[in-house]
Amino acid sequence: AQSVTQPDIHITVSEGASLELRCNYSYGATPYLFWYVQSPGQGLQLLLKYFSGDTLVQGIKGFEAEFKRSQSSFNLRKPSVHWSDAAEYFCAVGQNNDMRFGAGTRLTVKP
Amino acid sequence: NAGVMQNPRHLVRRRGQEARLRCSPMKGHSHVYWYRQLPEEGLKFMVYLQKENIIDESGMPKERFSAEFPKEGPSILRIQQVVRGDSAAYFCASSPRRQTSYNEQFFGPGTRLTVL
Repeated sequence: AQSVTQPDIHITVSEGASLELRCNYSYGATPYLFWYVQSPGQGLQLLLKYFSGDTLVQGIKGFEAEFKRSQSSFNLRKPSVHWSDAAEYFCAVGQNNDMRFGAGTRLTVKP
Repeated sequence: NAGVMQNPRHLVRRRGQEARLRCSPMKGHSHVYWYRQLPEEGLKFMVYLQKENIIDESGMPKERFSAEFPKEGPSILRIQQVVRGDSAAYFCASSPRRQTSYNEQFFGPGTRLTVL
C-alpha cells in the first residue's frame, strides 16, 4: 500500500537560513510526488510536483525538491527561508486520481 | 476562472444535528475529492466522485457520512447525527476530466466543522 512519511513534526529555522523538509514514500511503481503548503486557516497550495524526467524540480516561492529513487525520498529545500514561509508543509504521493498525504511538518521561522 | 469554492467556511453544530458541506469545483472540472484533516494530522482521503457517480469511497466512515455530486449543482458531503469526533477541517479538491494518466488536484479553502 502506498504511504508517505514526514519524520519531522515541527522544525524551527532562523530567517535567512537554509531549509530541508524530509519526505519518504512507499509505492509500488514510480510515483507522482507533490509538496503542498498550508497557511493557517487556508487550503493547500501546490508548491511543486514530480512526474518524471529531471529529478530536481523547481517550484514556486523559491522551493525545490529532489526525487531520489534509491532512498524513496522527495525532500523539499529552500536556500534562504523568509518569515512568510512559516506554515504547514505536506508531502503527497498519488497516481490515477488517488493521493495520500503525509502528516505534515510545521515550520516556524525565527527572526 | 474562480477556484474551488467551499461553503460554509465555518460550521458549528450541536451533537446529533446534521452537517452539510458544499463544494463547487473549478469550471471544467468533473472530478471531486473530499478529505478530512483532524487537528495535528495530515489530510485523509474520504471519497472520490465524478458527476452522478461515486468512484471510490474507501475513506468514508461506514455510518452517518455520505457524499454526492449531482448532475447540476455542487458536491455535498453530508454528516448525519454529528459527534464531537467529527470536528475537523474538510477539504474539497477538483481535477479536470482525465486525459492523461494523472490530473492535478486543486484544493478549496476548506470548511471547519465544530461540533459542540
